[in-house]
Formats: sequence, structure tokens, C-alpha cells
Amino acid sequence: GNSVTQMEGPVTLSEEAFLTINCTYTATGYPSLFWYVQYPGEGLQLLLKATKADDKGSNKGFEATYRKETTSFHLEKGSVQVSDSAVYFCALSARGNAGKSTFGDGTTLTVKP
Amino acid sequence: DTAVSQTPKYLVTQMGNDKSIKCEQNLGHDTMYWYKQDSKKFLKIMFSYNNKELIINETVPNRFSPKSPDKAHLNLHINSLELGDSAVYFCASSLGQNTGELFFGEGSRLTVL
Repeated sequence: GNSVTQMEGPVTLSEEAFLTINCTYTATGYPSLFWYVQYPGEGLQLLLKATKADDKGSNKGFEATYRKETTSFHLEKGSVQVSDSAVYFCALSARGNAGKSTFGDGTTLTVKP
Repeated sequence: DTAVSQTPKYLVTQMGNDKSIKCEQNLGHDTMYWYKQDSKKFLKIMFSYNNKELIINETVPNRFSPKSPDKAHLNLHINSLELGDSAVYFCASSLGQNTGELFFGEGSRLTVL
């Protein structure tokens, strides 16, 4: 079956530090890959996505590249802000799976001023 | 205008009671979902409907019964509540069954005493 493995948290960084949250996946076929962000007290919202190999998704200074050879989709940001403190979820969606997305366990990021 | 809205946002109730959570989406999407998020932030899919038809029914106790009166609404009724049902329940929708990107509501926090 499909699975997503994320870097365990929590992650604590100082403002302006570089962020990497690792994500690797197992899936049959060619899945689409996503990063969702959940701010405190809110629902998940899409941060970025990539639908095919070598695609780079980007939004709000965050980036992730779909690497088929390493089955990875690592999230990066060059300089984090306090407002980036949230839980980040890596997810995949594969055709033929009745629309069921597979989520990682989430990584909690805290950015300190 | 909220895209996916859930009510109520908070429920506090006693063990053994029955409760319902309602969800509506105004995005014109065909597919809707219920997810459960536990205290460790793990997300687990419970149900999915596509055009009012049940397509995903994960291993969920029979006490949980979803109902989709039309494709814009998906409600969740829970009978005989137990302590372990305490969680945040998220409704979500997607354009279609295999389109991947999910739009989440803000969540309904259920506390069973």
C-alpha cells in the first residue's frame, strides 16, 4: 500500500534559520505530492504541490521538488519567520485509490524570535 | 465566504450521548471526506462520499454513521459516545475522486467526558 514517512518533530528553530522537513513516500504508479500546513486552531490548507517527477512546488517562500529517483519531497525554506510556526503534513494522492490521500504523521515547527 | 464549513466548532458531552457534526462546501466539489485528528495530530481518514455515494469506509465503529443528503453536504452522526472518540474531526472536499488536492474545514473539537 501507499505510505508517507516524515521527519519526526518537534522542530524548533530561530527566526531566519534554514528549514528542511524530510518526506519520503512509497506508492504504486505516479502519485501527486502535497505539503499541507495547519496553523494553531485551524484546519489544514494546501501549501504547495507537485504532480510529476522533477516538478518544483513553491509558495510563501517554501519549496519542494518531486524526486522520483529518491521517492522524496522534502520541504525547504531559506529563512523562517515566527509566523511559520505550525504543523506540516506531507501527503500523496494516487490514482486508483478511490481518492484516498495518504498523510504523513505531521511535523510540528516552532520558530522563536 | 467560507469554502468548507463545519458546525459546531466545539462539542463537550457525556459518555453514552449521541451527537452530530454538519459539513457544507460551496466549492461545487463532487467528493467529501471525514478525517479524525488525535491529540498527537495524526490524521486518519474515516469516510468519503462521491456524489452522495459512499466510496471509502475505513475501519470505523458502527457507532459512526455518515450521511450525504446532496453532494454539498456530508454529516457525521456518532452514537453512544466513548472517551476515545475525543478528537478533532475535519471535513474536507475535493474536486473529484482522484484530484488529490483537499480543502479542509476548520474542524470540530469533540470532548467526551
